[in-house]
Amino acid sequence: AQRVTQPEKLLSVFKGAPVELKCNYSYSGSPELFWYVQYSRQRLQLLLRHISRESIKGFTADLNKGETSFHLKKPFAQEEDSAMYYCALPRTGNQFYFGTGTSLTVIP
Amino acid sequence: GAVVSQHPSWVICKSGTSVKIECRSLDFQATTMFWYRQFPKQSLMLMATSNEGSKATYEQGVEKDKFLINHASLTLSTLTVTSAHPEDSSFYICSATSNYEQYFGPGTRLTVT
Repeated sequence: AQRVTQPEKLLSVFKGAPVELKCNYSYSGSPELFWYVQYSRQRLQLLLRHISRESIKGFTADLNKGETSFHLKKPFAQEEDSAMYYCALPRTGNQFYFGTGTSLTVIP
Repeated sequence: GAVVSQHPSWVICKSGTSVKIECRSLDFQATTMFWYRQFPKQSLMLMATSNEGSKATYEQGVEKDKFLINHASLTLSTLTVTSAHPEDSSFYICSATSNYEQYFGPGTRLTVT
């Protein structure tokens, strides 16, 4: 079955420390994976997608087919990075499977 | 980028009444919109896919007679929670796709007393 798994519900790091939010997927074929972010009191928005290979707000994510992972990383966390992060995998009809989300808190 | 709006942003209603939530794509046309439900500190749960001009497609376990969806135009989809009960209290979010990217509305907080 196609799904994404985010094993960590909560993650706290100190400002300036590296951060990695984990995402594992189950998919037959070549997946196109996304990371969405929801800041406090704001709507869900796209952070990055693996196909574009961009670095957004210092975040990167590499698709590792061997480990079926798409972990989100940032070398130096900032307070404004505190948010809810969702890994997403497209399904048919422009829909998405969303992971359960990881709440990131960056401690000043 | 594309913008999706929702109205109202929050609503309180009494148990047994019905509530309508609107989702609009402001600067693009959306033949398909999606309705999600989000519980506190939990993930988004896809409820249904709203198709312009045809019936909505509901996810397994979602009562279509309770959550009525109408997609009357290319820019508007509505979700009506009928005979609301306190357990229907939740955060309802809609989204629409434009240029292969999904845009989300700000959500509607429904509280049923």
